[in-house]
Amino acid sequence: EVQLVESGGGLVQPGGSLRLSCAASGFTFSSYWMHWVRQAPGKGLVWVSRINSDGSSTSYADSVKGRFTISRDNAKNTLYLQMNSLRAEDTAVYYCARVGHLGGLDLWGRGTLVTVSS
Amino acid sequence: AIQMTQSPSSLSASVGDRVTITCRASQGIRNDLGWYQQKPGKAPKLLIYAASSLQSGVPSRFSGSGSGTDFTLTISSLQPEDFATYYCLQDYNYPHTFGQGTKLEIK
Repeated sequence: EVQLVESGGGLVQPGGSLRLSCAASGFTFSSYWMHWVRQAPGKGLVWVSRINSDGSSTSYADSVKGRFTISRDNAKNTLYLQMNSLRAEDTAVYYCARVGHLGGLDLWGRGTLVTVSS
Repeated sequence: AIQMTQSPSSLSASVGDRVTITCRASQGIRNDLGWYQQKPGKAPKLLIYAASSLQSGVPSRFSGSGSGTDFTLTISSLQPEDFATYYCLQDYNYPHTFGQGTKLEIK
């Protein structure tokens, strides 16, 4: 089955760190660019970061630049988001998503909830 | 960053109605725009890519149009399963930006 499964979310204190994972299956992960998108409770979707297929190029939203790092391990079919210096406003469900070969984010995971609170 | 202004923010409609949602970009983005549907507690789903191309498996009652700065998503005849929140996303440059969403509710 073609799917993405996020993990690694949880409760963390302000200033803390967390690493999210996104396990891909059912498709050739190394051929696809990947993104992270987040959604605060009751709010809209916010784009966070992207990485190209071989991991050599990345981009970030201004709100996370310098604090978050996107990476991937194509041998393990896994995407990561290392989140440091976490703030209350980073509380959200984090989704990983695949860029379709024709365009758009065509495959999404179910999301993992990150809560930043003392 | 490019700002995406989506309207309306909410909309009440009936089954069978024709509905149009718009997104306006703060600068030209060619046709680098997608439309997504999200139901409560679920991940977003791609409906339209490249402004007007229907994603595989999406019903033909959904259509997209536009280029440059102005884009529309049209649902030709609303079905019960279409009541959800809809977002546009520009993928012309980074950072990508979403519209603020349109919540489509049953009248």
